[in-house]
Amino acid sequence: QSALTQPPSASGSPGQSVTISCTGTSSDVGGYNYVSWYQQHPGKAPKLLIFEVNKRPSGVPDRFSGSKSGNTASLTVSGLQAGDEAVYYCNSYAGANNFVVFGGGTKVTVL
Amino acid sequence: QVQLVESGGGVVQPGGSLRLNCTASGFTLKNYGMHWVRQAPGKGLEWVAFIRYDGSNKYYADSVKGRFTLSRDNSQNTLYLEMNSLRVEDTAVYYCAKDLERASAIFDYWGQGTLVTVSS
Repeated sequence: QSALTQPPSASGSPGQSVTISCTGTSSDVGGYNYVSWYQQHPGKAPKLLIFEVNKRPSGVPDRFSGSKSGNTASLTVSGLQAGDEAVYYCNSYAGANNFVVFGGGTKVTVL
Repeated sequence: QVQLVESGGGVVQPGGSLRLNCTASGFTLKNYGMHWVRQAPGKGLEWVAFIRYDGSNKYYADSVKGRFTLSRDNSQNTLYLEMNSLRVEDTAVYYCAKDLERASAIFDYWGQGTLVTVSS
């Protein structure tokens, strides 16, 4: 059982938007702005998409955006493309005791 | 460009040991914290361990605490994960990942992973 809760799946048609939630507690997501999102294609290493809740690394399209409210963070993928079909993971800093926690992952399907 | 290359994976019997290496290039290793993250076959990501940029503090997931030891040699640009008392449930692809800062829990670069299989 993962420390952060994500829906197992989400889907949308090309051009549409999909939003994935990531729910934790006040000890992780709610307590720090160190929430990140990663994209993983089959057989590949994860790739950083969003860090510190809503910042994008260089090279990540602005179709990917992040937000947070209380203990829940969200990733929105706008203008869905076939290449966005992947598994998306959130993670958060969780303090000195647990340090890092991950969500269980959400498989995004482009219909 | 930043590169992380893991090595040392393989097949080991339950109770056995293995040492994973992660060789870094394209950045100054001594300035960054480093992590290991694993992924069991068909499962999600699980954070395993973290070592501060200077090796002064280390953190471990409860599932590996007391069995795994993380170390680093900044002069050799290498990170090590010593794994002892291995269990079947340790079977996974192990990724080495660079921290964005010194200890932010943000993984901005990942290696390609090395597979560890624990089986009799």
